[in-house]
Amino acid sequence: QPQLQESGPGLVKPSETLSLTCTVSGASTSSSSFYWAWIRQPPGKGLEWIAYISSSGNTYYNPSLKSRVTISVDTSKNQFSLRLRSVTAPDTAVYSCARLRYGSGCFDYWGQGTLVTVPS
Amino acid sequence: HSALTQPASVSGSPGQSITMSCTGTSSDIGSSYFLSWYQRHPGKVPKLLIYEGTKRPSGVSNRFSGSKSGNTASLTISGLQAEDEAYYYCCSYAADSTLVFGGGTNLAVL
Repeated sequence: QPQLQESGPGLVKPSETLSLTCTVSGASTSSSSFYWAWIRQPPGKGLEWIAYISSSGNTYYNPSLKSRVTISVDTSKNQFSLRLRSVTAPDTAVYSCARLRYGSGCFDYWGQGTLVTVPS
Repeated sequence: HSALTQPASVSGSPGQSITMSCTGTSSDIGSSYFLSWYQRHPGKVPKLLIYEGTKRPSGVSNRFSGSKSGNTASLTISGLQAEDEAYYYCCSYAADSTLVFGGGTNLAVL
């Protein structure tokens, strides 16, 4: 059964870059059957899709975040990463990585999520 | 790229059936085969309930069912149980291969 685990700083200063990594076990990021995604949930709000990436490096971004976001994959380490530039307090959220099933368009496995706080 | 519209809350009594909606546009739900629903208990990982609009993953109770009509998707839970009390989110692919979630519905089992 796939497992995903987020890692990265829990506190990021305003205007700096948020960097998170998702380590995948029990599945391969080089599989063409899946994409790898980031999703966030601000406190008291709903889920927001951020980005996803294929094993070959094709990327797809939420238009509202596209100018500040980069997603990348390192298949040799079985990891994928998120960078969100120029953060502000509204970027405070629980950030989760997830596996997106190609051909079904659904997130079938999720990480536990990690809270990232950007102080105001 | 607006969020899909879900009612903030719905409620029902144990044993009843409830249906919650998820409304989008012709650019997402209306044109997408890839609709999914998730259940999230506070502090827990979201659980996939429905994918491709109507399909249930292995292990998901057949009390959960999905449907779509036009630009609106629906999730029906039959035989409501206390453990069903949670937040429910819909998700759709859009025409440009982006994804969009609904704002979430809080289900209360009274």
